[in-house]
Amino acid sequence: EAGVVQSPRYKIIEKKQPVAFWCNPISGHNTLYWYLQNLGQGPELLIRYENEEAVDDSQLPKDRFSAERLKGVDSTLKIQPAELGDSAVYLCASSSRPGGELFFGEGSRLTVL
Amino acid sequence: KNEVEQSPQNLTAQEGEFITINCSYSVGISALHWLQQHPGGGIVSLFMLSSGKKKHGRLIATINIQEKHSSLHITASHPRDSAVYICAVGSGSQGNLIFGKGTKLSVKP
Repeated sequence: EAGVVQSPRYKIIEKKQPVAFWCNPISGHNTLYWYLQNLGQGPELLIRYENEEAVDDSQLPKDRFSAERLKGVDSTLKIQPAELGDSAVYLCASSSRPGGELFFGEGSRLTVL
Repeated sequence: KNEVEQSPQNLTAQEGEFITINCSYSVGISALHWLQQHPGGGIVSLFMLSSGKKKHGRLIATINIQEKHSSLHITASHPRDSAVYICAVGSGSQGNLIFGKGTKLSVKP
């Protein structure tokens, strides 16, 4: 069975440019998370979906970040415009239920120049 | 003070040594997760536990709910165990995870 798939693995952009990350969770997993991970730190939640509904987006910087999960399956996280401080790894994870075991993708490493 | 504290932050061991990584938390939890992250790689779930002890191969995880403390043990450590080990606790009705900063383990041959 395929795990959580993320793309791209690496992205280098100049500041003020837009960027988008894509995640396809494990089939049947209704809960999807986007996390941000800075070097040497643990992941920080950006947004959590239950099916197509964003049930926790309190930590998402909504002035520049947006996310969608239109059909309750795959999801896209967008940053527009990107800032230098957005350089980090963006992790997607899915779970069969809220609070259940998490399955992570390989992450998308963003470098903003 | 962070709600999830791990110790040590960095750990270097010789191959074959018994390793212990500790996690203390200050919130009420529904479950505690131990995760492994290899350099440049994604995160893998090792254990999810809410009481007692779990064992998988050379890895053992224990939790003491009263003391709000968990330990991850690695027996007969091997260089391939070198990774960052992250403790995370599920808190609240929806089980949102609060992550520790991780313990970087390096096992030398």
